[in-house]
Amino acid sequence: DVKVTQSSRYLVKRTGEKVFLECVQDMDHENMFWYRQDPGLGLRLIYFSYDVKMKEKGDIPEGYSVSREKKERFSLILESASTNQTSMYLCASRTQGARSTEAFFGQGTRLTVV
Amino acid sequence: AQSVTQLDSQVPVFEEAPVELRCNYSSSVSVYLFWYVQYPNQGLQLLLKYLSGSTLVKGINGFEAEFNKSQTSFHLRKPSVHISDTAEYFCAVSDRGQGAQKLVFGQGTRLTINP
Repeated sequence: DVKVTQSSRYLVKRTGEKVFLECVQDMDHENMFWYRQDPGLGLRLIYFSYDVKMKEKGDIPEGYSVSREKKERFSLILESASTNQTSMYLCASRTQGARSTEAFFGQGTRLTVV
Repeated sequence: AQSVTQLDSQVPVFEEAPVELRCNYSSSVSVYLFWYVQYPNQGLQLLLKYLSGSTLVKGINGFEAEFNKSQTSFHLRKPSVHISDTAEYFCAVSDRGQGAQKLVFGQGTRLTINP
């Protein structure tokens, strides 16, 4: 089975802290994604990566950065956490090109910024 | 750029009744289409997908969806729902091109099954 693992299910951080959300996949997928999920807004794409060290901004990248030093790991970084970044964060991975079909998701990290 | 609109934010139905969750998409290129389900406190799980071929696709748990290219729709249906179908459902679209392919989601539809 494909596995996408997010390092934490729940996190509580203080305003201004630097926050790292980690995601690891075991299927050698080229594409990895970070989404934010808020009630009534669905899943909004923050960043995605299509190869090691390659990244593209999604629809809401402000206040976030990402790192992909190894193919299996994709990190989301909140440089200075703010209360409006309190949300559920979902990581996903997917193959690329003609073989690409569905994305596989992690369990999510519920982040609360106080 | 693609976009997805789920026309109903909440759908309440009685157990054993039929249900349809509506999804419309916008894209300038050929697409793949997906429905995902999210049970409380869990990640997203694939229900079904349209890649090519028959426009009627069947998924898990008795769900099916029909791709309608002329109406740019991909509505999800189930003829008889169960309490366990209570969840949030997301429609998603991705283009078919080579290279990096974003997966764009709709706003979600919360399905509530009443006994």
